[in-house]
Amino acid sequence: QTVVTQEPSLTVSPGGTVTLTCASSTGAVTSGYYPNWFQQKPGQAPRALIYSTSNKHSWTPARFSGSLLGGKAALTLSGVQPEDEAEYYCLLYYGGAPVFGGGTQLTVL
Amino acid sequence: QLQLQESGPGLVKPSETLSLTCTVSGGSISSSSYYWGWIRQPPGKGLEWIGSIYYSGSTYYNPSLKSRVTISVDTSKNQFSLKLSSVTAADTAVYYCARHIIAAAFRHLDYWGQGTLVTVSS
Repeated sequence: QTVVTQEPSLTVSPGGTVTLTCASSTGAVTSGYYPNWFQQKPGQAPRALIYSTSNKHSWTPARFSGSLLGGKAALTLSGVQPEDEAEYYCLLYYGGAPVFGGGTQLTVL
Repeated sequence: QLQLQESGPGLVKPSETLSLTCTVSGGSISSSSYYWGWIRQPPGKGLEWIGSIYYSGSTYYNPSLKSRVTISVDTSKNQFSLKLSSVTAADTAVYYCARHIIAAAFRHLDYWGQGTLVTVSS
């Protein structure tokens, strides 16, 4: 059973920078896992932010960026805004089958 | 602007079959390079990919659900559908449909429906 692991929760101050990570139980995450990141606010559908490691959708704010960091996929928020408080999910592809991480609850405080 | 909308019964009895439809508007379900997928989220929990279908009918499913899942497509109605058999309370979730791009360089789920809650209960 493949497991994708994220930090359960993180807290950041408004205007600060925070990095969320996404690890694979199979080993180092590479671009071949096509890492995706999603933001979900209460009562809403997930919103796609980043795909294939670092590509942004047309609607993704510039303060969000994706990368590979220390064998994990990473999502960095720079200049955090209060509206960035949300649950963030990563997604990795294993031979075509996508597996979501458990999510990171980001608190802006 | 592409839009997806889920529809179907909000209550299903245990051991019966859950059936949902996703209607796509603002674009053709027959466009090349696009799969169409189903994802679910139990209340208060994380996301789980269920499966995806190409307009030609080619499918691939989550191995953990494969024995109970059927996804089909109706290009004439610009819709695709999910059937999940032998449901239990563990299948209670918000079910989302989404556009699923699977290409050599990119893979992602970009446009999502708003989701529909399906409760399994007698």
